[in-house]
This record gives sequence, C-alpha cells and structure tokens, in this order.
Amino acid sequence: AQSVAQPEDQVNVAEGNPLTVKCTYSVSGNPYLFWYVQYPNRGLQFLLKYITGDNLVKGSYGFEAEFNKSQTSFHLKKPSALVSDSALYFCAALPSSGGYNKLIFGAGTRLAVHP
Amino acid sequence: NAGVMQNPRHLVRRRGQEARLRCSPMKGHSHVYWYRQLPEEGLKFMVYLQKENIIDESGMPKERFSAEFPKEGPSILRIQQVVRGDSAAYFCASSPYGQNYEQYFGPGTRLTVT
Repeated sequence: AQSVAQPEDQVNVAEGNPLTVKCTYSVSGNPYLFWYVQYPNRGLQFLLKYITGDNLVKGSYGFEAEFNKSQTSFHLKKPSALVSDSALYFCAALPSSGGYNKLIFGAGTRLAVHP
Repeated sequence: NAGVMQNPRHLVRRRGQEARLRCSPMKGHSHVYWYRQLPEEGLKFMVYLQKENIIDESGMPKERFSAEFPKEGPSILRIQQVVRGDSAAYFCASSPYGQNYEQYFGPGTRLTVT
C-alpha cells in the first residue's frame, strides 16, 4: 500500500534555531509532494510543493523542503524557527497512478518552538 | 475570492441521527474532495467528485456514507445513522479543472457523535 511516513510525533526546537521535520514516502511513480500546516481548530494551509525541477523547494513563511529521490524523502526545513511556527505539520503525496487525485497524508508532526 | 467554505463548523449528533456536511468550493473550481481526520491521525481521502459525477469513492465506507456535488449548490457529505466512530473532522478541498494537485482546503467540520 502507498504511504507517507512522518517518523517523529513531535519536534522541539528553541526559537532562532534551525528546524527539520522529516518525511519519507512509499508511493509508486513520480508523486507530487506537499507540506501543509494546521493550526488548532483550523483547516490546512498549503506551505509548499514539489512537482519537478530543483530539489530544493521554497515555500511560505520562510520554509523550504528538500526532495531526495534516492532516499524517497521530502524533509521540511527552516533556518531560524519562530514561536509562531508552533503547529501541526503534514507531509502529503499525490500519486501519479489514478490521475493525481487523492492526497496521501502522513500522520503529522507537532512542532513546538520554545522561546 | 472567497476560499473553500464549509458548514457547519461544528456539528453534534446523537447516535442514529443523520449528519449533513456542506462544502462550497472556491469560485471557478469544479473538483471537490472530501477527507476525514480522526483524532491524532492524518487526513484520509474519502471521495473525489466533479459536478454531478462521483469520480473516485475508494475511500468511502461502504455503508451509511454518501456524497454528491450537484450542478447547482454545494457538495454534500451525508452520514446516515451516525455512530461514535464517525466523530472526526471532515475536510473538503477543491481544485480547478485540470489541476488536481492544487487542492485548497476548507476549515473543516468537526462532527461529534454523542
């Protein structure tokens, strides 16, 4: 079965330090890859996506993600974390099989940035 | 341009009642997707619809759940005879024609079954 894994339930970072939220995928073909953020009692907000091209993708709020095909990973990064970045982050893949219709989500990683 | 709208935002139903969740896609979007988020889990795909057509319902439970996207009006996710296990957040997303990868999410409806 196709899946997306986020191995860490929670990531704790001090404000100002770099952060990484990990994501690996097991999806056939050449999937599109996404990161979304969810604040409490809110919907998902799109951060960034990888479709093709440069392996380093830049997105909203200073976030970026690095696509690594050989490791089937798409880790989310930010050089300097803010307290306001504290939220729930979801990695997702859109498989090419089936017409790029349904997103497959990881279970989510809770990011806590401490002052 | 208003985003994806869902209502109600919160819905409480007793076991055995029906729940109707509504989703109005972004203006100009003709594709709608429904996802369910169980507590402490990621979102799971349920169904993909275009106007008057169900394209992919592979994630829908076989019984009690149905979805529609009529020619006019919002998309409706209907859950009959709700049970406690249906308690979850239900998110709708929409995308423009031909760009399924550009899915924009609504704020969700939180269903609580008592």
